[in-house]
Amino acid sequence: GENVEQHPSTLSVQEGDSAVIKCTYSDSASNYFPWYKQELGKRPQLIIDIRSNVGEKKDQRIAVTLNKTAKHFSLHITETQPEDSAVYFCAPPGGYNKLIFGAGTRLAVHP
Amino acid sequence: EPEVTQTPSHQVTQMGQEVILRCVPISNHLYFYWYRQILGQKVEFLVSFYNNEISEKSEIFDDQFSVERPDGSNFTLKIRSTKLEDSAMYFCASYGGIETQYFGPGTRLLVL
Repeated sequence: GENVEQHPSTLSVQEGDSAVIKCTYSDSASNYFPWYKQELGKRPQLIIDIRSNVGEKKDQRIAVTLNKTAKHFSLHITETQPEDSAVYFCAPPGGYNKLIFGAGTRLAVHP
Repeated sequence: EPEVTQTPSHQVTQMGQEVILRCVPISNHLYFYWYRQILGQKVEFLVSFYNNEISEKSEIFDDQFSVERPDGSNFTLKIRSTKLEDSAMYFCASYGGIETQYFGPGTRLLVL
């Protein structure tokens, strides 16, 4: 939390390709690492999260990997589909569990 | 599945007017938050609220902003004298202490 950087800011892939988004955080005390998907005009929706006691978590086509030593965690989407097109945010919590959002990655999946 | 609700969904106001944005958090949650998102930008933390008081606020949350939990269910954000730059989507979120924060659908505020 507190200082969060997210890359890339935009990502364009062909349907069926994989997409990877990386998030770097500064607070070494962080122990919870969520990824949110936001469609235009909608609320952020949690799509996957991981806690610091595991290094990877997978849910169908979506996975999150965590490197606590390097203080970064990544979102992996495999076999991308047009409906995956959205803005994705990492949001590790800071003090009082407030979420510190990254700048977002606009993913475009082209048919 | 329980949900966070917010009203109104849209609010248009004149600069200098007061607005109150309302939220009903998930009933057994104890931590409440307001965030805002200016169009095309990231979600920014405004304030957190626990045990009937503010636990943390950001630099954005100046004296023009206040929050209240007037009864056991509603959680409100008041902007006393709106400015053009307050135009944004405002999200309420609640947290039960274990899983993750749940966001409401947002109130789109437009200050003219």
